[in-house]
Amino acid sequence: GQQLNQSPQSMFIQEGEDVSMNCTSSSIFNTWLWYKQDPGEGPVLLIALYKAGELTSNGRLTAQFGITRKDSFLNISASIPSDVGIYFCAGGSNYQLIWGAGTKLIIKP
Amino acid sequence: DTGVSQDPRHKITKRGQNVTFRCDPISEHNRLYWYRQTLGQGPEFLTYFQNEAQLEKSRLLSDRFSAERPKGSFSTLEIQRTEQGDSAMYLCASSKDRATGELFFGEGSRLTVL
Repeated sequence: GQQLNQSPQSMFIQEGEDVSMNCTSSSIFNTWLWYKQDPGEGPVLLIALYKAGELTSNGRLTAQFGITRKDSFLNISASIPSDVGIYFCAGGSNYQLIWGAGTKLIIKP
Repeated sequence: DTGVSQDPRHKITKRGQNVTFRCDPISEHNRLYWYRQTLGQGPEFLTYFQNEAQLEKSRLLSDRFSAERPKGSFSTLEIQRTEQGDSAMYLCASSKDRATGELFFGEGSRLTVL
């Protein structure tokens, strides 16, 4: 079946640092999405990408839909404490999303 | 609050019991999804409704699982004869009538089977 490889699994960073994470797939997707999940909550959509090569920003977040349609990355600039959480990529085909296993972001005190 | 709401938030049950979860989607959303999430993993698709029609079910959804959306509004997910492996977070999401993946999730119903 379809699988997404999301990396890194976790990141320990200092406040103010930039963060980068990515997802790769063996399959092509029509849509790439990035979600964030806080403990005990459902995922919240951060960025949705619809075209190969598309680069989209949402505040300090920037994401790109890979030109091959098999990968995507998410960058967070100048991280702040509220950025902690788990970030998921998801590849979309029709109604269904295939999800990565998540990148856990931890900010060192 | 006009987001997706799920009830109950937490359910502890003994193995073999039946449990039912309810989801109230955002009112103007036609599409409703159920996902299951275990610790350290992303959500796994279970089933999807377009209005009241259940259009797709994952192979993960065994015969013990049934979902309904009788009037195209709220939905229920029932698990019969629960097993310890059913312990997970059950997430409901809704979206507008476009296959974009822009899902709005509820806070989830956490099931613990003892």
